[in-house]
Order: sequence, then C-alpha cells, then structure tokens
Amino acid sequence: GQNIDQPTEMTATEGAIVQINCTYQTSGFNGLFWYQQHAGEAPTFLSYNVLDGLEEKGRFSSFLSRSKGYSYLLLKELQMKDSASYLCAVRDQGGSYIPTFGRGTSLIVHP
Amino acid sequence: GAGVSQSPSNKVTEKGKDVELRCDPISGHTALYWYRQRLGQGLEFLIYFQGNSAPDKSGLPSDRFSAERTGESVSTLTIQRTQQEDSAVYLCASSLTSGGGTDTQYFGPGTRLTVL
Repeated sequence: GQNIDQPTEMTATEGAIVQINCTYQTSGFNGLFWYQQHAGEAPTFLSYNVLDGLEEKGRFSSFLSRSKGYSYLLLKELQMKDSASYLCAVRDQGGSYIPTFGRGTSLIVHP
Repeated sequence: GAGVSQSPSNKVTEKGKDVELRCDPISGHTALYWYRQRLGQGLEFLIYFQGNSAPDKSGLPSDRFSAERTGESVSTLTIQRTQQEDSAVYLCASSLTSGGGTDTQYFGPGTRLTVL
C-alpha cells in the first residue's frame, strides 16, 4: 500500500502562486494523480505524472520526483474559484492498480 | 457526453435499515470504483469492478456492505443494517480500463448518506 502525506490546509491571495506538496511511500510506483474537489462536489481530474519532471497545463503544473517520493501541484494566477480541496492519489504496481488517495489539502484563496 | 451519474443524491435513513445506492458509469468504461468519503476526510476505497467481476473487495468495511455490477454497466452498492458510522458521501468513479496508464477516473456527484 501507500502512505500519502499532504498539508491539511493552505491559504493564498488572489493572483498569487501556491505550491501544494505531496509525499508518498510505495513499494512499486505506477503513477500519481492530482484531483480538484470543490465543497459538495465530486473530484475532477487535474493531472497525471508517471515520469520525473514537470507537466504544465495552463495555470496548473504538476511535478514528480520518483526517487524522492515527492510531487507538487503549482497553481499560478490564483482565482477565487480555485478555493477547493486538492487530492493527491498514488497508484502502485499491485494487482488492481487502484489509486490510493491522500486526505487532501484545503486551499483557501482570499482577495 | 454523459458523465457518471449516481442516485439518489441524498438519502436519509434510520439505523438498522438497508439502503441501495446506484451508479451509472460512462458508457464503454469497463472499470468501476466505489469510494466512501467521510466529512473532512480523504477518499476511502471500497470495491472495484472490471467488467462485472470484482477482483478487489479489500476495502469493504464489513459484511454488511456488498456490491454488484450487471451488463458491464450499472452498479449498486448495498449497505444492510445501516449504522451511524456509515454516514458519508459515497462516490462512484469509472475509467476506460484498469490496467495502468493514464486510466483517469471520472467521478460521479456522489450520494450523501445520513443514518439517523
């Protein structure tokens, strides 16, 4: 199984940049996902990393270092609507390939 | 196109009653997953289907929980003799396959279950 750690809560200012970290321990890494979840809504897919490096997608970027068991989600030009929970999920090479989710980081963006 | 749908959106029941939650995955998605999310907590894996078979039932919390899937489509999660600790949002997700790769999971809106 995996042990996934994320900060519980972060706050940031509209227009700023914020980095949400995720560390994990797994016996056989097979991909890391980031999801966004607004209060009362379902998680929606943001990014997928399986190789080391940075994946950029508009205002959102995700970075992975497999040797360090570390990922971050970078959000630029923050908007109020970015206030949400950000879930890190790790999949290992076990038989079912089911991602294990962290508890999520609640991001509060204020004016 | 149509996403994952779940019904009911909200369910309030009395302790000891049975409940049935339904999930309609995206058409053509062979893999289907059930998760539970308690207030302020992360997603807790319950069960996963590949086609109509459930290779991984490891997350079911007790024998009061069961699930089935038919026609490689709709799935139902049944909780018998509900307890107050079963109160949570039950999320269903589907993905094209389950064999690794991007295999992005697409989530439904969830069923909020409240056991009184």
